Amino acid sequence: NAGVTQTPKFRVLKTGQSMTLLCAQDMNHEYMYWYRQDPGMGLRLIHYSVGEGTTAKGEVPDGYNVSRLKKQNFLLGLESAAPSQTSVYFCASTTGRGFDTQYFGPGTRLTVL
Amino acid sequence: AQSVTQPDIHITVSEGASLELRCNYSYGATPYLFWYVQSPGQGLQLLLKYFSGDTLVQGIKGFEAEFKRSQSSFNLRKPSVHWSDAAEYFCAVGGYGNKLVFGAGTILRVKS
Repeated sequence: NAGVTQTPKFRVLKTGQSMTLLCAQDMNHEYMYWYRQDPGMGLRLIHYSVGEGTTAKGEVPDGYNVSRLKKQNFLLGLESAAPSQTSVYFCASTTGRGFDTQYFGPGTRLTVL
Repeated sequence: AQSVTQPDIHITVSEGASLELRCNYSYGATPYLFWYVQSPGQGLQLLLKYFSGDTLVQGIKGFEAEFKRSQSSFNLRKPSVHWSDAAEYFCAVGGYGNKLVFGAGTILRVKS
């Protein structure tokens, strides 16, 4: 039981490049989330999903796209990376029943030059 | 819209001393409140949560938090801090769609 895993752990991009971050969970959770963490700002919600095939915008969705084709995976895409997207990205998942605990992955540190 | 304020960016305490981390929230209804801890280079781990009932909530690692509706606060406490408690602590409030709104975090340093 690995919980929530994120791939890759680190990545450096040049401005304008694209990439996809993968989040996988093996807990059969319905809800999944993508957050970004910046110093002094806590975690901010980018996009989330309440079930396979569904996605919704969070607080800071601009410049990101997501897909949830399989229940266990939640992908975060950057089509044209910008330096403002330099951040640590966390994925989380939960059952979706009430306010069950959100379980977090270890994070991906992304630098955009 | 809900929001969370953690007034202290950094706190330093001596090992063995007591700890209190402050959290104030803004939410129209009965809040769902959480405290998470993040060790360096790690993801977040839930310490405790409050939904209803007893206003003093016990969590893991010897932490507790008290919900005070009149003060819109949910402060985290520990009677005796250990060096391994050095980390960043986040307070969060739950909103529609099981979404969490986080505070900016408080970095705890423990001096020996």
